[in-house]
Amino acid sequence: DTAVSQTPKYLVTQMGNDKSIKCEQNLGHDTMYWYKQDSKKFLKIMFSYNNKELIINETVPNRFSPKSPDKAHLNLHINSLELGDSAVYFCASSQVGGNTEAFFGQGTRLTVV
Amino acid sequence: TQLLEQSPQFLSIQEGENLTVYCNSSSVFSSLQWYRQEPGEGPVLLVTVVTGGEVKKLKRLTFQFGDARKDSSLHITAAQTGDTGLYLCAGRNSGGYQKVTFGIGTKLQVIP
Repeated sequence: DTAVSQTPKYLVTQMGNDKSIKCEQNLGHDTMYWYKQDSKKFLKIMFSYNNKELIINETVPNRFSPKSPDKAHLNLHINSLELGDSAVYFCASSQVGGNTEAFFGQGTRLTVV
Repeated sequence: TQLLEQSPQFLSIQEGENLTVYCNSSSVFSSLQWYRQEPGEGPVLLVTVVTGGEVKKLKRLTFQFGDARKDSSLHITAAQTGDTGLYLCAGRNSGGYQKVTFGIGTKLQVIP
């Protein structure tokens, strides 16, 4: 059973398009995250949701809109895709508080052409 | 903004050698975690260190948290090809919902 699953794993699209990445976790965690990993492997947090409520928004362009229909799902919708959006996007989840472990999905490699 | 610097960023060594990776910050963290990421996969937690000066061992891997909780090191003894991967340190701050700050990563290649 995959703990944190993202779809799709690969996404190639043209500039200006709108696309979504889906994420689901079956760990019963209350907190979910989206991270962006650039070509230099730098992993940067974008959003954090706790029990469907937005907790952290790290000055991400508003073309990026996360949506959490329930605490097991956190989807990422991106409007008007730009070349600079090309990266690997990771979804993760963890328990609330403490020094808990974040469980990551396999990542979605987004390529904007 | 809290920043974590890792060094070296790239390391290529022969199997059997020892190595140390460093993670430094000017900020204090409530805890520090080390993750390993393999190609095409997400990061996987190796260890969490919480107390200043704490040392944790995971088989051939030794992790240390600095006394001031601003830095950490990862030492690998007798590296194996299976240790190849990207090693990321991640600092957690205290208070409220914790935000994790990741270092830039150390890409380790162990050559047979």
